[in-house]
Amino acid sequence: AQKVTQAQTEISVVEKEDVTLDCVYETRDTTYYLFWYKQPPSGELVFLIRRNSFDEQNEISGRYSWNFQKSTSSFNFTITASQVVDSAVYFCALSEGSGNTGKLIFGQGTTLQVKP
Amino acid sequence: GAVVSQHPSRVICKSGTSVKIECRSLDFQATTMFWYRQFPKQSLMLMATSNEGSKATYEQGVEKDKFLINHASLTLSTLTVTSAHPEDSSFYICSASFGSGGEQYFGPGTRLTVT
Repeated sequence: AQKVTQAQTEISVVEKEDVTLDCVYETRDTTYYLFWYKQPPSGELVFLIRRNSFDEQNEISGRYSWNFQKSTSSFNFTITASQVVDSAVYFCALSEGSGNTGKLIFGQGTTLQVKP
Repeated sequence: GAVVSQHPSRVICKSGTSVKIECRSLDFQATTMFWYRQFPKQSLMLMATSNEGSKATYEQGVEKDKFLINHASLTLSTLTVTSAHPEDSSFYICSASFGSGGEQYFGPGTRLTVT
């Protein structure tokens, strides 16, 4: 069965600290997609990244970076030099690719609080 | 590009009444739309998947007679909560997809409060 686990329910850091949000997934498919979304207090989901299962290259986008490791079924997200505006709930999600219904399975979310 | 809107953004209704939420893809044709529900401090749970012109596919445990989904065109899907009860109060989010790869574009959500 597909499952996404974000073991960290809440994380609190002080501005400028680096923080890593963990995501572990389970799937039997060989083709799948992994996502990270940010949900600020307004509620609207903000897309951050999509990664397919055949691309294990790590990605960096500004202060954000992602580490995808198939061997451990993990897709962790790091924010470098965190800022107060990074405070939000972050969701990791999985979509199975074969047949692609497009269904997204979300993790429980990690609430990140960045204090000034 | 790839903008999805929802209307209304907030709605308060009385118990026993029905409420309709619209989800529109503004600048693309959405072959598939998804409806999610999110309770406070919880994750998003998929309620149903709808393809234009066909019946929605509901997730296990979601009452299809209570949550009516219509996907009449490639840019519009509606979710009607019938005979609403206070426990239906939640944040309802739609998303739309137009291609493979599971990439979905999310609407801003509708906060439903049933009194």
